[in-house]
Amino acid sequence: DGGITQSPKYLFRKEGQNVTLSCEQNLNHDAMYWYRQDPGQGLRLIYYSQIVNDFQKGDIAEGYSVSREKKESFPLTVTSAQKNPTAFYLCASSPQTVLSSYNEQFFGPGTRLTVL
Amino acid sequence: GNSVTQMEGPVTLSEEAFLTINCTYTATGYPSLFWYVQYPGEGLQLLLKATKADDKGSNKGFEATYRKETTSFHLEKGSVQVSDSAVYFCALSSSASKIIFGSGTRLSIRP
Repeated sequence: DGGITQSPKYLFRKEGQNVTLSCEQNLNHDAMYWYRQDPGQGLRLIYYSQIVNDFQKGDIAEGYSVSREKKESFPLTVTSAQKNPTAFYLCASSPQTVLSSYNEQFFGPGTRLTVL
Repeated sequence: GNSVTQMEGPVTLSEEAFLTINCTYTATGYPSLFWYVQYPGEGLQLLLKATKADDKGSNKGFEATYRKETTSFHLEKGSVQVSDSAVYFCALSSSASKIIFGSGTRLSIRP
């Protein structure tokens, strides 16, 4: 089955530690995204990547880093510089084909990060 | 800039009631419009979409019509079920690279 997987589903971290969230897709999509969702709120864009080895900052990139070494994978590192990292993190991908300028995004199941 | 404004929740209805969740947008050009649904503890799922004016998106009994004259994309369902309880997000895409999401509307359906 094609889809997007995120692991782990739940993650606990001590203050001051970096942690990496995994996102993998087998949909052959070019673009991938990371969002943060806080309780009762909408989605805020952290980083996105439209092609391998390239990525752009979203609206709240401070304290986060990403890499895009393979088309299928877009891991997110939450660094100790992120002051309030407890949140639900969602990864998404999009085909972004030339024929369709406005592609919908497909989401993974999310990772809930809690800082202890 | 582009933005999406949707009805604040929570919205609580009885089973079989009629549902409307309002969504209006501000955008340059001709955006595509989407409704996503999020069940508790899960990611977002695309519910329906419309890519041009007067298009009607529909899925699972839900409908929304792209109204350019009123810049709206209201979500409707004629008879809701308990299983429709979720958070609903209106969104727009005006470029190939990004989608802008509304703040979400929590819907609760009473048996």
